[in-house]
Amino acid sequence: DAKTTQPPSMDCAEGRAANLPCNHSTISGNEYVYWYRQIHSQGPQYIIHGLKNNETNEMASLIITEDRKSSTLILPHATLRDTAVYYCIVRVVYGGGADGLTFGKGTHLIIQP
Amino acid sequence: ETGVTQTPRHLVMGMTNKKSLKCEQHLGHNAMYWYKQSAKKPLELMFVYSLEERVENNSVPSRFSPECPNSSHLFLHLHTLQPEDSALYLCASSQDLASGGYEQYFGPGTRLTVT
Repeated sequence: DAKTTQPPSMDCAEGRAANLPCNHSTISGNEYVYWYRQIHSQGPQYIIHGLKNNETNEMASLIITEDRKSSTLILPHATLRDTAVYYCIVRVVYGGGADGLTFGKGTHLIIQP
Repeated sequence: ETGVTQTPRHLVMGMTNKKSLKCEQHLGHNAMYWYKQSAKKPLELMFVYSLEERVENNSVPSRFSPECPNSSHLFLHLHTLQPEDSALYLCASSQDLASGGYEQYFGPGTRLTVT
């Protein structure tokens, strides 16, 4: 799986949009971009994933650049409960079986009141 | 119960003890995973089970022994652990990839302390 690079920490004011960047310059054509987050001492939570089109769900939006070398996770109206470590993961999704996730250090997002 | 549950939530054990961690998923998934999260380290994948068969063993020491008796239950049997094995142990489940299992659902974890 391709390697990802994320800033170690970011701050964002409550109510503002939080934009979390991720670089994945060695991504290959069949690798998806996933985002998970982990609130302190809890299990990680799936947020969103995409291949090349932008994606949106009830939690966030995922913007992937046209060359797919980077992406941005957007939390449109951050709340204090969004304070967490956010992980960007790139992985191939094979046609069968199961595949574990490779987590990096992620970005510690701190929402300020 | 909904989602993925893990018991116990906290466990303290001596180095000569034998204990087991239990994970149960109520999502109808057919793949299950064990991860380890040590202090200040990223999550590390330990084992992967798909359709109750172990498909990945990530160079984990033999003092950790997984068991998957059916698609809803996963165990991690522990024996003669070391203090450095103290960590948060997380279980996850998903559908297999052929069924579109793109996301994994994690349990709350078991906080293990080895004394």
